[in-house]
Amino acid sequence: DAKTTQPPSMDCAEGRAANLPCNHSTISGNEYVYWYRQIHSQGPQYIIHGLKNNETNEMASLIITEDRKSSTLILPHATLRDTAVYYCIVLLREAAGNKLTFGGGTRVLVKP
Amino acid sequence: DTGVSQDPRHKITKRGQNVTFRCDPISEHNRLYWYRQTLGQGPEFLTYFQNEAQLEKSRLLSDRFSAERPKGSFSTLEIQRTEQGDSAMYLCASSYLSGGGPSLYFGPGTRLTVL
Repeated sequence: DAKTTQPPSMDCAEGRAANLPCNHSTISGNEYVYWYRQIHSQGPQYIIHGLKNNETNEMASLIITEDRKSSTLILPHATLRDTAVYYCIVLLREAAGNKLTFGGGTRVLVKP
Repeated sequence: DTGVSQDPRHKITKRGQNVTFRCDPISEHNRLYWYRQTLGQGPEFLTYFQNEAQLEKSRLLSDRFSAERPKGSFSTLEIQRTEQGDSAMYLCASSYLSGGGPSLYFGPGTRLTVL
């Protein structure tokens, strides 16, 4: 699975959009980009995933660049409850349902 | 769908004691995973089962660790002769064999403190 690079931490203001970057320059054509988050003292929670098209669900939007070497997770209106560590993971499509390899993630602090 | 459950949520033990954790996956999920997470780090893979077969074990899983999933449903993770370095959050996750979506569904974890 391709490695990912994320900033270790970032702050954002409550009510504003939070844009979380992820670099995955060695991603291969059949690898998906997954995002999970982990709120303090809880297990990781799935947010969203995508291959090459932008994706949106009730939690977030995922923007993947045309060359697929990077992506951005967007939390449109951050709330205090969005304070968490966010993990960007790339995974072979055929391996969906297989183990995830976590990096250090981005620690997001939403401030009032 | 009641989610993945883990028991206990917290365990404090003395060095040298044995501990056992239980994980109940989402029903009908045939894969079950164990992860360990130390403070400030991302979760690290330990082992996984497909039904009752243990298919992969990480080098992190020393011989003091043993995991079972006897009937392909719940799983247990036992740590023998605990050491202070075993203090961590132990996470369980489950999934279908294949299929997209969330890939893995995680439980709330068991926090182990070894004194």
